[in-house]
Amino acid sequence: AQKITQTQPGMFVQEKEAVTLDCTYDTSDQSYGLFWYKQPSSGEMIFLIYQGSYDEQNATEGRYSLNFQKARKSANLVISASQLGDSAMYFCALLSGSARQLTFGSGTQLTVLP
Amino acid sequence: SQTIHQWPATLVQPVGSPLSLECTVEGTSNPNLYWYRQAAGRGLQLLFYSVGIGQISSEVPQNLSASRPQDRQFILSSKKLLLSDSGFYLCACKGDFGNQPQHFGDGTRLSIL
Repeated sequence: AQKITQTQPGMFVQEKEAVTLDCTYDTSDQSYGLFWYKQPSSGEMIFLIYQGSYDEQNATEGRYSLNFQKARKSANLVISASQLGDSAMYFCALLSGSARQLTFGSGTQLTVLP
Repeated sequence: SQTIHQWPATLVQPVGSPLSLECTVEGTSNPNLYWYRQAAGRGLQLLFYSVGIGQISSEVPQNLSASRPQDRQFILSSKKLLLSDSGFYLCACKGDFGNQPQHFGDGTRLSIL
């Protein structure tokens, strides 16, 4: 069975500072992928970043980076130089093995303070 | 790139009325298609997914059904809506090539009165 855990229901960060959003996962598969999505108040789900289980380097996409610690089964999202527009709900998701569907975490509501 | 069209954006329906939400996809062929529901302030719950025309898998027992009459069309339906069917419904699409991300439509906010 696949499981994703996001333990931070809400986070606050000062504008221009970095913030880390936690995500841990559980799967018995050797091949899997981890995704982060952003959901603004308007509701759309925006894909941010992807990390494959066999990727040796941590994924980066602009101000987003993924701190992937395979032994700890964690895939934390780091947002550098936070902007007011980063305020949103953030979801971590796991795609494992032959499964064609994602398992989503419960989300973290990030608020960037001016 | 894939484009996902979902409509309507918002819908208010009385209890017991039927429902039909439509999702169409452009820019890809033979995609995997998904319907999710999100309750207010909560995560996403997978309702249905489809790997091809006429192939529907249901993840949770419920009052809803899904159909895929064409390769790039996915429809969510109900014969009689319940109050508990209120929520935000998202359609998603993914190419069937490894660990590609799912891309989402803009969603439908459904309120049942």
